[in-house]
Amino acid sequence: DSGVTQTPKHLITATGQRVTLRCSPRSGDLSVYWYQQSLDQGLQFLIQYYNGEERAKGNILERFSAQQFPDLHSELNLSSLELGDSALYFCASSENGGAGANVLTFGAGSRLTVL
Amino acid sequence: EDQVTQSPEALRLQEGESSSLNCSYTVSGLRGLFWYRQDPGKGPEFLFTLYSAGEEKEKERLKATLTKKESFLHITAPKPEDSATYLCAVQEFGNTPLVFGKGTRLSVIA
Repeated sequence: DSGVTQTPKHLITATGQRVTLRCSPRSGDLSVYWYQQSLDQGLQFLIQYYNGEERAKGNILERFSAQQFPDLHSELNLSSLELGDSALYFCASSENGGAGANVLTFGAGSRLTVL
Repeated sequence: EDQVTQSPEALRLQEGESSSLNCSYTVSGLRGLFWYRQDPGKGPEFLFTLYSAGEEKEKERLKATLTKKESFLHITAPKPEDSATYLCAVQEFGNTPLVFGKGTRLSVIA
């Protein structure tokens, strides 16, 4: 157990729907990162939050949004889902927000299947 | 152009057959290079961080090395439990996220 908790583990939904993925970071970690992993693209960075504030943004689609709450858990919202959004979504956490080389601790992931 | 390129994509070894995985990178200033291990259906698990050329780190049968353009993950006398996908990632200076390669899928056959 890495200490990073992601729910749900599996999610099957239909095109056009909206889902929310949840992440609780490791105790003491202030930064949360979201990555998408598909077979052909590998791990792609989506977005980072540090202590409630957005810190960095990757190639995150406009249909996707995220936030980090005061208790430091984070949610990734995916809307108007398309078949191509089917992937593993990983949350990772780290102690700091960029002051040094960041060792990320990953959760077990949420597998999203869009039918 | 990809910042991180890993080779080979897949590698099949006999138990005890040592080999190396390659990670070549292109960044303007390297803050750190990371190696992770990922088992099927699980999240990546941290192995090593390397910061500067010439640095080496070891853990059991694994040894990571770093030059100015690439890193190698050497696997000595591998066992079947070493089978996994090995991911390399780089972080540049500034507030930049880790950029991952696509990984090398290692299979060790008994």
